[in-house]
Amino acid sequence: AQTVTQSQPEMSVQEAETVTLSCTYDTSESNYYLFWYKQPPSRQMILVIRQEAYKQQNATENRFSVNFQKAAKSFSLKISDSQLGDTAMYFCAFMTDTGRRALTFGSGTRLQVQP
Amino acid sequence: DGGITQSPKYLFRKEGQNVTLSCEQNLNHDAMYWYRQDPGQGLRLIYYSQIVNDFQKGDIAEGYSVSREKKESFPLTVTSAQKNPTAFYLCASKDRVAYGYTFGSGTRLTVV
Repeated sequence: AQTVTQSQPEMSVQEAETVTLSCTYDTSESNYYLFWYKQPPSRQMILVIRQEAYKQQNATENRFSVNFQKAAKSFSLKISDSQLGDTAMYFCAFMTDTGRRALTFGSGTRLQVQP
Repeated sequence: DGGITQSPKYLFRKEGQNVTLSCEQNLNHDAMYWYRQDPGQGLRLIYYSQIVNDFQKGDIAEGYSVSREKKESFPLTVTSAQKNPTAFYLCASKDRVAYGYTFGSGTRLTVV
């Protein structure tokens, strides 16, 4: 079974600063996908960024980038130039390309961006 | 616009009562999923369906039931056997692309 661990329940960052959210996972699969989702107070799940395990290059989406360390099974999210609208719960998630193809989520990190 | 509609947004259930949460999608997605979210926790998989007329238990299926009679619809029934049903429930659908997930806006269920 796959597990996803987010060890930082809460984090705070000043506006315009950079913050890194940690995520580790455990799997015996070789082909899988990793995601970061944002859940603002509206509780809508919003995809922030995704990474295919077979790709060595780290994914980047505007101010969001990941540090994917496959051997260490680590998948951290870096948010640059933090904005007040980034305040939300952030979930790391994992999915294999076989079987049920369901997302397995970590417990989340609550990020507060301070003005 | 295509998307997933969950209803109702808020639902109150009395002890011992069954309630059904609706999930409808017009994205033509084959796979649909139900997740439960408790405070301070991530989403946990209740049931999923990869094709019409077929569904499988997820990690926390006890006390829940589903049906998948139409591609567009995947209703979730919370039965009286579910001892702690107060939670936020999210429905999702997925296309054939590995990362093609779409989430609904959720239903907040409270036992009164």
